[in-house]
Amino acid sequence: AQTVTQSQPEMSVQEAETVTLSCTYDTSESNYYLFWYKQPPSRQMILVIRQEAYKQQNATENRFSVNFQKAAKSFSLKISDSQLGDTAMYFCAFLPLNDMRFGAGTRLTVKP
Amino acid sequence: KAGVTQTPRYLIKTRGQQVTLSCSPISGHRSVSWYQQTPGQGLQFLFEYFSETQRNKGNFPGRFSGRQFSNSRSEMNVSTLELGDSALYLCASSKETGVYEQYFGPGTRLTVT
Repeated sequence: AQTVTQSQPEMSVQEAETVTLSCTYDTSESNYYLFWYKQPPSRQMILVIRQEAYKQQNATENRFSVNFQKAAKSFSLKISDSQLGDTAMYFCAFLPLNDMRFGAGTRLTVKP
Repeated sequence: KAGVTQTPRYLIKTRGQQVTLSCSPISGHRSVSWYQQTPGQGLQFLFEYFSETQRNKGNFPGRFSGRQFSNSRSEMNVSTLELGDSALYLCASSKETGVYEQYFGPGTRLTVT
């Protein structure tokens, strides 16, 4: 079975600090994408960052970066200089073929 | 470029009724996927349509169905509604089928009473 596990249901961080959200997945596929999506309260799901499995270099998007460990099947998201607007549910997602699998989500609260 | 749009945004139905939700993908995107989001089960894949054909289907009963039109717009239908069908239904579009980035719409919140 291809599953995605986010072991941290809730996290909080002080504004301007750094926080890391963890994600592990299980698959026998060799070609796939990994994503982090952000879902603010009552708002639309937004793509934060993506990583192609064949790329060894970790993806970076401004304050967001990932630590992709393919052998360990780990895909963590680091948010630097946290802002109040980063408060949201964060979903790790895995796309091996056609159907994207999501983790249960991590509710991140950024405190002023 | 306009994003993925879903209509209606909110729906209230009673048990036993049926409902149709609509999704318009980003212009040029040919694949549309549907997801159900509930507090208990999280985000679950329903099905994907590409070139008017269902490419893949999640583990949902046959009451859940969908279709795609030649302009890539998609509809999903749920018949004989049950209380447990209350959820946020998300549509996502991508350029092609397979391992491609998906962009999500705002969702349709369905409440079954």
